[in-house]
Amino acid sequence: GESVGLHLPTLSVQEGDNSIINCAYSNSASDYFIWYKQESGKGPQFIIDIRSNMDKRQGQRVTVLLNKTVKHLSLQIAATQPGDSAVYFCAENISGGSNYKLTFGKGTLLTVNP
Amino acid sequence: AAGVIQSPRHLIKEKRETATLKCYPIPRHDTVYWYQQGPGQDPQFLISFYEKMQSDKGSIPDRFSAQQFSDYHSELNMSSLELGDSALYFCASSHSYRTDDTEAFFGQGTRLTVV
Repeated sequence: GESVGLHLPTLSVQEGDNSIINCAYSNSASDYFIWYKQESGKGPQFIIDIRSNMDKRQGQRVTVLLNKTVKHLSLQIAATQPGDSAVYFCAENISGGSNYKLTFGKGTLLTVNP
Repeated sequence: AAGVIQSPRHLIKEKRETATLKCYPIPRHDTVYWYQQGPGQDPQFLISFYEKMQSDKGSIPDRFSAQQFSDYHSELNMSSLELGDSALYFCASSHSYRTDDTEAFFGQGTRLTVV
């Protein structure tokens, strides 16, 4: 659902299920996208990235899909585990500047139930 | 493996005081980035440095300044602190500016509380 004020969108799944976290990005000129995982009290942790010349990229248990037409990014986590519980952020960047001058989207809180 | 080190981890200041946050990048990383994350908010880019020169500037208030030193560590100086400055401040470092496939690593952050 939509986030309002301090309330994050939330996704609750059962252990072993697949999770899909969605993100709408704002700038059509963005050409580099990253998904980060942030656990409570910790810094963002890199999960996977994708450049705009691709529409899909796979990592270990994670897949990122990019739809430039509708400016939409998704993160798929296979066989979700309790350790995956965290806030997930997508971030966008425009080439030509600092690689990590990132614009972060609103996070999604993923809760994995054992 | 060495990570990005930030100090202090926690800091409590009163309104109108000053604060200095420090960031020690991963060895051989030449670029540092500062982000501010308010409670329940997404991180907001403040400023970045490459080879001791400011490379990009984001939503950093005029009351804040930062620099990168010869050993590549960076300091974020915050003056005339306001209650709204209470946030987590993250530093990230990467190797080489404008280079593909250079992942940035974030530190654990400094939690600043202004009372």
